[in-house]
Amino acid sequence: EAGVAQSPRYKIIEKRQSVAFWCNPISGHATLYWYQQILGQGPKLLIQFQNNGVVDDSQLPKDRFSAERLKGVDSTLKIQPAKLEDSAVYLCASSLGGWETQYFGPGTRLLVL
Amino acid sequence: QKEVEQDPGPLSVPEGAIVSLNCTYSNSAFQYFMWYRQYSRKGPELLMYTYSSGNKEDGRFTAQVDKSSKYISLFIRDSQPSDSATYLCAVLNSNSGYALNFGKGTSLLVTP
Repeated sequence: EAGVAQSPRYKIIEKRQSVAFWCNPISGHATLYWYQQILGQGPKLLIQFQNNGVVDDSQLPKDRFSAERLKGVDSTLKIQPAKLEDSAVYLCASSLGGWETQYFGPGTRLLVL
Repeated sequence: QKEVEQDPGPLSVPEGAIVSLNCTYSNSAFQYFMWYRQYSRKGPELLMYTYSSGNKEDGRFTAQVDKSSKYISLFIRDSQPSDSATYLCAVLNSNSGYALNFGKGTSLLVTP
């Protein structure tokens, strides 16, 4: 069974630029999560989707971050404009639904200069 | 106060040692308690989960939850160099969504 795929794996941008990350969850998984992991910290939820709909985006900085999940499968997370403090690993995870095990992708490592 | 507190370490032990990793949490509403392992430059992977209080064993790994003291533990017996990783505790309240609340993670190094 293929795992959660993410791209790109690494991205370096300058502050005020925009960047987008892509996630392809495990086939059949209804729930998709985006987490932000700053160096030395545990992952922090940014947004949770159930199929096409947003379940929780309370910690998403909506003035600069946006996310969508088209057709209930793939998802993109965008940052515009980026700030220095956005430097982190962005992890995508998926699960069948409910509290079921969340499977994480390898993450996208973002460095904002 | 953070939802989950975890000593970041680092923790260095010789091969074969028993390792004890711990977390405390603040909200008694949490019902699911999980341990994730994260190797360098990889995503976290679930090691074990426990529902409510009690113990759970899986091979060399034992997870314990004490809800009365809001304390969760992971024990690793006969530790191996391949166990070297960051261990993240996480808690979940299924009544308020299914997002995981993670601790900072403890970095473990098992030396041969």
